[in-house]
Amino acid sequence: RKEVEQDPGPFNVPEGATVAFNCTYSNSASQSFFWYRQDCRKEPKLLMSVYSSGNEDGRFTAQLNRASQYISLLIRDSKLSDSATYLCVVNLGRGDTGRRALTFGSGTRLQVQP
Amino acid sequence: DADVTQTPRNRITKTGKRIMLECSQTKGHDRMYWYRQDPGLGLQLIYYSFDVKDINKGEISDGYSVSRQAQAKFSLSLESAIPNQTALYFCATSDRNTGELFFGEGSRLTVL
Repeated sequence: RKEVEQDPGPFNVPEGATVAFNCTYSNSASQSFFWYRQDCRKEPKLLMSVYSSGNEDGRFTAQLNRASQYISLLIRDSKLSDSATYLCVVNLGRGDTGRRALTFGSGTRLQVQP
Repeated sequence: DADVTQTPRNRITKTGKRIMLECSQTKGHDRMYWYRQDPGLGLQLIYYSFDVKDINKGEISDGYSVSRQAQAKFSLSLESAIPNQTALYFCATSDRNTGELFFGEGSRLTVL
C-alpha cells in the first residue's frame, strides 16, 4: 500500500461543476498536509495547506479527517483554468532520517471541459 | 528571475556518463531537496539537506549523490547514468516555518 494514495483520474467535468478529490495516508501520526497544483510540464506549486478544522480559499475547500486518515479538496464552480494535476502532500512525521520530508501522492488529473 | 534555478533544463546523455544537475536559490531557505518525477508515480525524494552540514538520503538515493556547496546551492550527481534514471528532476527549498515547498522549473534528463 502506498503511504499517500490518490485516485489518478482523470476527472473530466464541465465548467461550473463541483468536483472533489480524496487522498488517504498511512501514518496516523502524520502532522501536516497540503494540496499542490501541477500544470503539464511545470513545477508543482502550493494550492493550499490543510488545517485540522478545515479551510477555504475562494472556490477551494480543504478538509482533514484524522479518524479515517484522509484529506479532501473540493473545487466549486470549476473553471477551464483549473485543469491540472492536484498533488496531495503529507508530512508522515516518523522522525527517522529519510522520512522527515514531505511525501507526495501520485496526483489526480482534472480536466475541465467547456 | 526565478527564486529556485536549475541547470541544465534539458539534458540527453549516454549510459555510463557522469551527470551533474545544479540548483541555486535566492529565497534564503536552509532546507533544500531533490525530487524525481516519473509518469504516474508522483514525486519521489532523492536527497534532502536541512542546512549546509546536513545531508540525508530520501526514498530513492541509490545511484545518486549530492553536494551542498553553500546555503544557496545544492547539486545532484549521477556518477554513472543508466536509462531508468530518465526522468524529470526537481530541486526545491522549503520555508522552515510553514513547510511550503518552492520548486525550480525542473531538469529533464534522458539517458540513452
